[in-house]
Amino acid sequence: QQNVQQSPESLIVPEGARTSLNCTFSDSASQYFWWYRQHSGKAPKALMSIFSNGEKEEGRFTIHLNKASLHFSLHIRDSQPSDSALYLCAGITGNTRKLIFGLGTTLQVQP
Amino acid sequence: DMKVTQMPRYLIKRMGENVLLECGQDMSHETMYWYRQDPGLGLQLIYISYDVDSNSEGDIPKGYRVSRKKREHFSLILDSAKTNQTSVYFCASSSGQETLYFGSGTRLTVL
Repeated sequence: QQNVQQSPESLIVPEGARTSLNCTFSDSASQYFWWYRQHSGKAPKALMSIFSNGEKEEGRFTIHLNKASLHFSLHIRDSQPSDSALYLCAGITGNTRKLIFGLGTTLQVQP
Repeated sequence: DMKVTQMPRYLIKRMGENVLLECGQDMSHETMYWYRQDPGLGLQLIYISYDVDSNSEGDIPKGYRVSRKKREHFSLILDSAKTNQTSVYFCASSSGQETLYFGSGTRLTVL
């Protein structure tokens, strides 16, 4: 069964810090990876996606995918208090074509 | 304006009562989903619908059923609700294997 592990479980950083969130998949055939962000009491919302090995940058956010190591990461430059949220990684498994979510990393950015 | 609308936002029911959660989307997405989100368990897929009357069980379908008679509407039904079905329920839609768009959620309490 596909497993998605996220680390750390929670994280507290000061405003302005660079933050790194990690995700590991167990299925080497996984394709199509997303990071979703969920502010407290709100719906998850897609942040960024990547479908092939490499890096993608949008503003302060960078995602990196390494399919060989089954590793997917999100980096936030100059973290802001508004970035405080639950971050969920997700990917589509190779076998079942189902979207699998990790349990999430709770990020708190302190002013 | 791409939107997934869920009704109601909050619901309190007694054990044994029937529950109807409704979801609508205005993007003509073929695929719609029902998830529940609980602390420590993350987002769990209850049912997925690939189009009208084309529904498949997710990971935790027991105690739930769904109905999709129009592409833009997807309902989740709990026949004889149980206390362990207290949760936050999210509806989502997507076009194929693209990004999921989530509704604002329904917080259901079963007493």
